[in-house]
Amino acid sequence: DQQVKQNSPSLSVQEGRISILNCDYTNSMFDYFLWYKKYPAEGPTFLISISSIKDKNEDGRFTVFLNKSAKHLSLHIVPSQPGDSAVYFCAARYSGTYKYIFGTGTRLKVLA
Amino acid sequence: DGGITQSPKYLFRKEGQNVTLSCEQNLNHDAMYWYRQDPGQGLRLIYYSQIVNDFQKGDIAEGYSVSREKKESFPLTVTSAQKNPTAFYLCASKYQGPNTGELFFGEGSRLTVL
Repeated sequence: DQQVKQNSPSLSVQEGRISILNCDYTNSMFDYFLWYKKYPAEGPTFLISISSIKDKNEDGRFTVFLNKSAKHLSLHIVPSQPGDSAVYFCAARYSGTYKYIFGTGTRLKVLA
Repeated sequence: DGGITQSPKYLFRKEGQNVTLSCEQNLNHDAMYWYRQDPGQGLRLIYYSQIVNDFQKGDIAEGYSVSREKKESFPLTVTSAQKNPTAFYLCASKYQGPNTGELFFGEGSRLTVL
């Protein structure tokens, strides 16, 4: 049973426009959410995170929004750049544990 | 430089053989993890360890074993009982401190069973 879901396997966006990547979760016991970026044959790199007590966190071009009632989080990238083309994973941590669960990923392609 | 080192980067194995993937970190992190990546399935948790001499099964632990004898090291053994071992394996670590939540990943090891 997939508790962290990324329902869009791929997304294409024009350079300079906004990229919105979505993630849904089913377990109310998650207390911390993260977004990672991954290139082929490399390890994921951390982008941004948000605690369950917040609804927004911003870092430069990246903003994460959390809607707890809908069990939904999103990553906004503005403006999108060709170097942002990668696979993006959302992840969630079970409250009070060290267990992190990842989604299936969304491949973002930013077109020049 | 501090970081997480996985070796080997590429590994080929015959069916029926056990193989051990190495993961070493010099970040002084307490927790360490093993994930597996398959196309279309994201990252799936195999095992994780919060402290030395302790580890917990993740969602797909069957056919794998780990040990945590030292803080810096968390090797993963893929046994012959793992039915579909060909995958990209990722090791990660995390500092056990307040207000720190992110995992740091190594570069990965690709295992191919011939």
